[in-house]
Amino acid sequence: AAGVIQSPRHLIKEKRETATLKCYPIPRHDTVYWYQQGPGQDPQFLISFYEKMQSDKGSIPDRFSAQQFSDYHSELNMSSLELGDSALYFCASSTRGQGAAYEQYFGPGTRLTVT
Amino acid sequence: AQKITQTQPGMFVQEKEAVTLDCTYDTSDPSYGLFWYKQPSSGEMIFLIYQGSYDQQNATEGRYSLNFQKARKSANLVISASQLGDSAMYFCAMREGRSDYKLSFGAGTTVTVRA
Repeated sequence: AAGVIQSPRHLIKEKRETATLKCYPIPRHDTVYWYQQGPGQDPQFLISFYEKMQSDKGSIPDRFSAQQFSDYHSELNMSSLELGDSALYFCASSTRGQGAAYEQYFGPGTRLTVT
Repeated sequence: AQKITQTQPGMFVQEKEAVTLDCTYDTSDPSYGLFWYKQPSSGEMIFLIYQGSYDQQNATEGRYSLNFQKARKSANLVISASQLGDSAMYFCAMREGRSDYKLSFGAGTTVTVRA
């Protein structure tokens, strides 16, 4: 079965640089979520999109932005990177259709290291 | 306030034995969903099991079962017949309501299965 695809899997950036993370949801899933997991921490919700519109926003820094495109893939753009942005970034997808169990399926994550 | 509480930072279990991971939650919304995810050392987040607040029966998926006690607000995960490959971090998560789809995670429990 098709899963959530994230690219790149690993990314190394320097402070003050920018980074773009990509997410391709499971086919026919209409909702994409982004989570940030710092070292030794639980995942924290950043932002979500439903049918290409932002649907919810969590603790996402103003330096970060995201969008969902017409083909449902999503990109998380991160600017002015800081050392504290080093984390595992997950994308998850789900469907809100009738009878859906709201299960969120996670991608493999992008490990961002800021030096 | 913490919405999901996992009080066991780490557990050891003997191979082929059962293990119970505790999870308590806090919500005033009558509609919610509870999830368990497994995160191996490789980092991916694997969906295990889901329990809806209106589900009458406890959820089961293969060797995983969820002991849902609504009045006590607990959703413990039981893994039967533990295998070495079950060694991982396990997260309990909650979705509240029907319009807020983001997941709130607990701190996680590390399970180590001994041969």
